[in-house]
Amino acid sequence: DIQMTQFPSTLSASVGDRVTITCRASQTITNWLAWYQQKPGKPPKLLIYQASHLQSGVPSRFSGSGSGTEFTLTISSLQPDDFATYYCQQYVGSPPFTFGGGTRVEI
Amino acid sequence: QVQLQESGPGLVKPSQTLSLTCTVSGGSVNSEYYYWSWIRQPAGKGLEWIGRIYTNGRTNYNPTLKSRVTISLDKSKNQFSLNLTSVSAADTAVYYCARYAAASGFDYWGQGTLVTVSS
Repeated sequence: DIQMTQFPSTLSASVGDRVTITCRASQTITNWLAWYQQKPGKPPKLLIYQASHLQSGVPSRFSGSGSGTEFTLTISSLQPDDFATYYCQQYVGSPPFTFGGGTRVEI
Repeated sequence: QVQLQESGPGLVKPSQTLSLTCTVSGGSVNSEYYYWSWIRQPAGKGLEWIGRIYTNGRTNYNPTLKSRVTISLDKSKNQFSLNLTSVSAADTAVYYCARYAAASGFDYWGQGTLVTVSS
């Protein structure tokens, strides 16, 4: 199975900060990577798919980049609504699909 | 707007079978464009993909759970279901159903249902 490693596991930031989260795959996944945002008591919400494509309705301050084994999620100017946990997930080829361990963005 | 809703018992005894159903509205489980998946999340922990089913009934399961998992489809009710046998406390989690699109991943999720395994 492909292992996904996210870092940092926790990130402290302030409103207006530029925030970057990194996700690394144990083998190449080309660009088959998605990013999700999860708030307490809620299901994950798809933000980015195919590494860099913004899901409809997601604010443009979110962006994704990378290919192969190294990927980043960037929030250009952190807003109060962005404090949450973020997960990466690979979906290359056949299952099993795997998620990163999550990055909690806190004040 | 596609909506998914999980239903089923919130408490299951050890060694018994966990059974959940996901009802889909605003979309069809008969669509050739999507797979229908189950994902779980223990309290305070990360996400674990359990398995998926396609409209033709073809399934894929997480190898770590494969011997205990069955996912099935009921097109007449626009539902799909999860059975997990021989449960233990380690299976206590919030269980989500989700729609999977090959291009974009898991784009629609249910609200999740907490299943506790306890005697």
